[in-house]
Amino acid sequence: AQKITQTQPGMFVQEKEAVTLDCTYDTSDPSYGLFWYKQPSSGEMIFLIYQGSYDQQNATEGRYSLNFQKARKSANLVISASQLGDSAMYFCAMREGSNTGNQFYFGTGTSLTVIP
Amino acid sequence: NAGVMQNPRHLVRRRGQEARLRCSPMKGHSHVYWYRQLPEEGLKFMVYLQKENIIDESGMPKERFSAEFPKEGPSILRIQQVVRGDSAAYFCASSPGQKVGEQYFGPGTRLTVT
Repeated sequence: AQKITQTQPGMFVQEKEAVTLDCTYDTSDPSYGLFWYKQPSSGEMIFLIYQGSYDQQNATEGRYSLNFQKARKSANLVISASQLGDSAMYFCAMREGSNTGNQFYFGTGTSLTVIP
Repeated sequence: NAGVMQNPRHLVRRRGQEARLRCSPMKGHSHVYWYRQLPEEGLKFMVYLQKENIIDESGMPKERFSAEFPKEGPSILRIQQVVRGDSAAYFCASSPGQKVGEQYFGPGTRLTVT
């Protein structure tokens, strides 16, 4: 089974509107971390936001917030007040706490296009 | 504090040649991870190393690929006898330890095999 599933290959949003990028995950490990990364056309991976499995509150970082629904195993990224510079690929990722390798599992990504 | 550094940023090799990709982790980080990103796909784990030790190489192809992280110097991902299917972006990440937290990614090396 896929560890991370992103079902939206491409999304469009009007500038200044909010957009939600979906992510579901699969793990039996009680300790895990969920991450979102942005990859612009230049190719680098830019860390956006982190949610720990034991965190009681949803993570927020500026215009980014993570809608963490543990029972549904979802960790959707919400971008508020979209800007043209938000156009990029967005990847959801997970690390499991008891995984000795501590590797990241990445989803296939969502391409976001912000329309002026 | 400099971030994770990778060089070269772009590498072109002909089929059959060797490719060497270098990664210098962030200062103070002793854990290095290599990932491969094929076109239109997410990153896939290849190998996890600590200084002088390979901890997990479950994502490495069985042949032609090797990785090392010597006591001194950068981590090296080596691909022998490259084929067109090796064309991808190779990312290195580092972390200070094994706790569930952020890994810091380098800018990646884009390998093109002609």
